[in-house]
Amino acid sequence: EVQLLESGGGLVQPGGSLRLSCVASGFSFVGYAMSWVRQAPGKGLEWVSGISGSSVNTFYIDSVKGRFTISRDNSKNTLYLQMNSLRVEDTAIYYCAKAYLGMGILDSWGQGTLVTLSS
Amino acid sequence: EIVLTQSPATLSLSPGERATLSCRASQSISNYLVWYQQKLGQAPRLLIFDTFNRATGIPARFSGSGSGTDFTLTISSLEPEDFAVYYCLQRSDWPYTFGQGTKVEIK
Repeated sequence: EVQLLESGGGLVQPGGSLRLSCVASGFSFVGYAMSWVRQAPGKGLEWVSGISGSSVNTFYIDSVKGRFTISRDNSKNTLYLQMNSLRVEDTAIYYCAKAYLGMGILDSWGQGTLVTLSS
Repeated sequence: EIVLTQSPATLSLSPGERATLSCRASQSISNYLVWYQQKLGQAPRLLIFDTFNRATGIPARFSGSGSGTDFTLTISSLEPEDFAVYYCLQRSDWPYTFGQGTKVEIK
């Protein structure tokens, strides 16, 4: 059974940093692209970032480019999202998700971790 | 950036009725359209990928159709567990984008 367990969320001040982690189990982690998708409170879904299995390819939405860095450690079956220069509008539940076939086809999701920006 | 517009915003139906959800893209995305279901307080779930392919374990009452810019998710006969929010996503071009969602609620 595929399991994705996120951690690292919390309350942080604008301008601060957080690193989210997502530990994967139940599948061959290195063989699959992974992504982070976020959902602001009461709002819809927003794709944030994606990374290929080998880490060769990474993708970001414009609003996080230069501030967020996606990475993975295939020896630890772990996906990361380093978030710097956080803004109030980054407040959201952050989900990690496993890609199936193509990066946009996310067939397994974690339960999410909440990031709250507040001064 | 490709914009996806879903309609209607809310669909009020009774169990057993047919649901038809629309997703329109601002430019052609071929068949690279994915549908997700999200229930309150839960993570999204993959339903349909690349327009018409049901994901593993998804019942046959869910079907997808369309091409180019206009796509449809159809639920042939609503079950109680189908009342949720449905999102479309385009994976034709980066950045991948979601529609704003359609809420299917009990009438």
